[in-house]
Amino acid sequence: KQEVTQIPAALSVPEGENLVLNCSFTDSAIYNLQWFRQDPGKGLTSLLLIQSSQREQTSGRLNASLDKSSGRSTLYIAASQPGDSATYLCAVSPASPLVFGKGTRLSVIA
Amino acid sequence: GAGVSQSPSNKVTEKGKDVELRCDPISGHTALYWYRQSLGQGLEFLIYFQGNSAPDKSGLPSDRFSAERTGGSVSTLTIQRTQQEDSAVYLCASSPLGGRGAPLHFGNGTRLTVT
Repeated sequence: KQEVTQIPAALSVPEGENLVLNCSFTDSAIYNLQWFRQDPGKGLTSLLLIQSSQREQTSGRLNASLDKSSGRSTLYIAASQPGDSATYLCAVSPASPLVFGKGTRLSVIA
Repeated sequence: GAGVSQSPSNKVTEKGKDVELRCDPISGHTALYWYRQSLGQGLEFLIYFQGNSAPDKSGLPSDRFSAERTGGSVSTLTIQRTQQEDSAVYLCASSPLGGRGAPLHFGNGTRLTVT
């Protein structure tokens, strides 16, 4: 059974710092990995999707990497801003449906 | 067009009552998913629709839970004889494709509180 773990569970950083969120999964036989953002009381917004054949994806200040063989992904956020404060979830697709981690709650302090 | 729409946004009900939660997916999206998010927990998969069929309903926690989808569009999740442990945020997502490799688009969820 696929399990997804995210470390740390919570993170607080001063504005302007670069930071890395970690995601690990137990079964490397995945089709893709997605990173989502969830604001309080809201649904999930897809940030980046990495296909299993890809190593990384970039969108603005966000960069996600995937090492399928070791079962790891990282989400790198450059020059963090208070507006980046949210919970970040990663999810893997063994087939369907997606299997989610519990998320990392990020606070960026101005 | 508009994103995934869920209604109601909040629902408070008494234990033992039945509730219906509605999801309007993005137009043209063939795949539809229901997830549950409890406080401090990750997202728990409930059921997946491809068109009007549900090829995977393995996540439904008990026979009190059921879901249907009509016209390849709107879906309703029904919880009968609600219990306090059913309290959670119920999230719906749709995708233009089912299965692998398709990004999901989520609604804002329905927060269900069973008193």
